[in-house]
Amino acid sequence: SQQGEEDPQALSIQEGENATMNCSYKTSINNLQWYRQNSGRGLVHLILIRSNEREKHSGRLRVTLDTSKKSSSLLITASRAADTASYFCATARGGAAGNKLTFGGGTRVLVKP
Amino acid sequence: GAVVSQHPSWVICKSGTSVKIECRSLDFQATTMFWYRQFPKQSLMLMATSNEGSKATYEQGVEKDKFLINHASLTLSTLTVTSAHPEDSSFYICSASDWAANYGYTFGSGTRLTVV
Repeated sequence: SQQGEEDPQALSIQEGENATMNCSYKTSINNLQWYRQNSGRGLVHLILIRSNEREKHSGRLRVTLDTSKKSSSLLITASRAADTASYFCATARGGAAGNKLTFGGGTRVLVKP
Repeated sequence: GAVVSQHPSWVICKSGTSVKIECRSLDFQATTMFWYRQFPKQSLMLMATSNEGSKATYEQGVEKDKFLINHASLTLSTLTVTSAHPEDSSFYICSASDWAANYGYTFGSGTRLTVV
């Protein structure tokens, strides 16, 4: 079953604007990861944030994690047409669940030039 | 960085036939690989965890006899869809982790299976 829920399901913005998407999960986690998927392709790892971290940056990406609310957000600043893709959060629980990832429903982002 | 190669990228087969999909870690050893299935405009659903040298661990609701997984070496896992039916048509993606190099999870480029 899918642990994560993503919001919004779809997002359409103009180039240069910021895109924000949220992810909620249900159980305790070791880390939370964000991935990007271009249509019909595999996933590209964007950023990993550990459960003891609250914020992380990578280039134009900013990820926050609130373990008390079991939620995370991904912000893409100064978006470009090439950022058009689906974005997924995924949680890793570890322990008996091993290192397997559970994915959220994804947010489809369209950046219009 | 870590690279996972998945082959074929797409395949069309007739109902009742079997299809094998390969997933290779090119520059690292993966004791564990994961197989996912993705329907159009939906998220990835984990099908099974492939363990080198032992039986795969299947998620609830995934038929073991339908989706055969073999992880014979540290760099290769295969998924065979047996007696394929149109409802098996989907996008199948594998992934592997190279935690020793802190690369996290690397995904293959996926295989589009169409059963006619």
